[in-house]
Amino acid sequence: DVKVTQSSRYLVKRTGEKVFLECVQDMDHENMFWYRQDPGLGLRLIYFSYDVKMKEKGDIPEGYSVSREKKERFSLILESASTNQTSMYLCATWVGGTQYFGPGTRLLVL
Amino acid sequence: KQEVTQIPAALSVPEGENLVLNCSFTDSAIYNLQWFRQDPGKGLTSLLLIQSSQREQTSGRLNASLDKSSGRSTLYIAASQPGDSATYLCAVRSGNTGKLIFGQGTTLQVKP
Repeated sequence: DVKVTQSSRYLVKRTGEKVFLECVQDMDHENMFWYRQDPGLGLRLIYFSYDVKMKEKGDIPEGYSVSREKKERFSLILESASTNQTSMYLCATWVGGTQYFGPGTRLLVL
Repeated sequence: KQEVTQIPAALSVPEGENLVLNCSFTDSAIYNLQWFRQDPGKGLTSLLLIQSSQREQTSGRLNASLDKSSGRSTLYIAASQPGDSATYLCAVRSGNTGKLIFGQGTTLQVKP
């Protein structure tokens, strides 16, 4: 079974803080993804990575950056958190044509 | 630009009923289509994956069909149960990077 874990289920941060969301997969997969999910807007791709130190922008990369120093770990960074980044963040990995998701991190920015 | 639409946005049915969820996409040049289930506050669980060359896939009480030429997929749930209550999302893969385009989902409630 593919396992994707995310470091926190819930986070509360202040405007302007630097925020790190961590995602770890257990099977040495190459492709990893970060989405955010908002009511009425669905899931939108922020960034994805197809190998260590490789990254590509998704549909809504503004205000975010990513880091992939090891194959199993893909980090999403909010450089200066803003209230419009309050959302559910979902990480996924891609195996055999199927995407497997982590449990999500619900982030509240005050 | 690929767009994915799911209708209806919400559905409420009595237990035991057979039901169909719909998904449509604008660009028929897809690699595959995937159906997911999401419980409230949780991540997504993959239900079925249909390759572009396939017409349908089945898993237990679930059957997903794909008509690429018309840009449609349906998820059929037989003999619905209260435990089927969740949001169902479809997503299409159009490129070779694994990037998915999601519909906004259908929230299903199955009443006992």
